[in-house]
Amino acid sequence: NAGVMQNPRHLVRRRGQEARLRCSPMKGHSHVYWYRQLPEEGLKFMVYLQKENIIDESGMPKERFSAEFPKEGPSILRIQQVVRGDSAAYFCASSPPSGEQFFGPGTRLTVL
Amino acid sequence: RKEVEQDPGPFNVPEGATVAFNCTYSNSASQSFFWYRQDCRKEPKLLMSVYSSGNEDGRFTAQLNRASQYISLLIRDSKLSDSATYLCVGFGGNNRKLIWGLGTSLAVNP
Repeated sequence: NAGVMQNPRHLVRRRGQEARLRCSPMKGHSHVYWYRQLPEEGLKFMVYLQKENIIDESGMPKERFSAEFPKEGPSILRIQQVVRGDSAAYFCASSPPSGEQFFGPGTRLTVL
Repeated sequence: RKEVEQDPGPFNVPEGATVAFNCTYSNSASQSFFWYRQDCRKEPKLLMSVYSSGNEDGRFTAQLNRASQYISLLIRDSKLSDSATYLCVGFGGNNRKLIWGLGTSLAVNP
């Protein structure tokens, strides 16, 4: 059973470009979570999705950020018009009904 | 008050020492708890689940005290490889949301 997969592992974008981060949950998991971690800081919850539904997006910035988890395919976190402050590690986690979350290796976004 | 609070440390201990971390939570509806470990620049990894009266896994023991609303993690005979940040996490409620503490940093020294 493959773990949570994220790609790309490293992403470099210039200011104003778009960043697309992908997450494939563990087999059998239908709950996906996205977190952001700035250097030297803790994990910050962004959004919780189930297939085709956003359950909780209370941690998402109001502008430029969006997330989806389509019926087929990976979950996507999309950041439009990136700024330097978006540089961070973005972790995806998936969970079974019992609640434990299993994390992917993360995508490290660098905005030049 | 944060929903889950941890002493950020850092805790500096010699190899072989026993070290304990505490974590307090404010939401009495929280149903279960977890300890995660995060190494520098890596993803968090599930260390232990903590249910009802707690559990033990090798050198690690987790306890839950619902009356006082705290969770503890005890590490015995600490190893250099135990150096990491330990995150306390609460789970509960209809929104299935995990509530994360900010983590406690542990450095085990030779």
